[in-house]
Amino acid sequence: SQKIEQNSEALNIQEGKTATLTCNYTNYSPAYLQWYRQDPGRGPVFLLLIRENEKEKRKERLKVTFDTTLKQSLFHITASQPADSATYLCALDPGGYQKVTFGTGTKLQVIP
Amino acid sequence: DGGITQSPKYLFRKEGQNVTLSCEQNLNHDAMYWYRQDPGQGLRLIYYSQIVNDFQKGDIAEGYSVSREKKESFPLTVTSAQKNPTAFYLCASSVSPGDTQYFGPGTRLTVL
Repeated sequence: SQKIEQNSEALNIQEGKTATLTCNYTNYSPAYLQWYRQDPGRGPVFLLLIRENEKEKRKERLKVTFDTTLKQSLFHITASQPADSATYLCALDPGGYQKVTFGTGTKLQVIP
Repeated sequence: DGGITQSPKYLFRKEGQNVTLSCEQNLNHDAMYWYRQDPGQGLRLIYYSQIVNDFQKGDIAEGYSVSREKKESFPLTVTSAQKNPTAFYLCASSVSPGDTQYFGPGTRLTVL
């Protein structure tokens, strides 16, 4: 069966360091991979989308990589700030107007 | 302002009662979705609609019902058949199925 794995343990890092979050998947061939941010008690907010034929995508301090051989996406936040503390969700999109499947999310805590 | 709204933010119901959660969007999006989120779990898809007057079951549709009579509105009814209805419910919309999703603020339902 299809499976998406994100590190269920919280990630604690020092302010200014780079945070790296992992999204692994099995039995899946996504055409796109999306990353969302979710704050407590709120709905997720879209951050970045990367296509299967793209290796890397950047937006300001955010960087996403997509390795279809390893079946893995890495989400990096450089120069992290306490305001980056949130839960980050990856979502796999098979394309072709099919439904998107979300991972369980990783909670990031940036310590001042 | 364009956006997606859910009401109410908090909802309390007695066991055995049906309850309807509201979701409205003015983004002119064709696709709308309902998710359920429980602590430590990811978003689980309840129902989705690709276009007006059409909807499909998601992964956990049992005990829920929806309607899509207008493009802007996608209400979710939690029926008494839902065994464990207490959860955080999120509505989302996208330009078309599989596109980036825009989420509402969520409704936290507590069944007493």
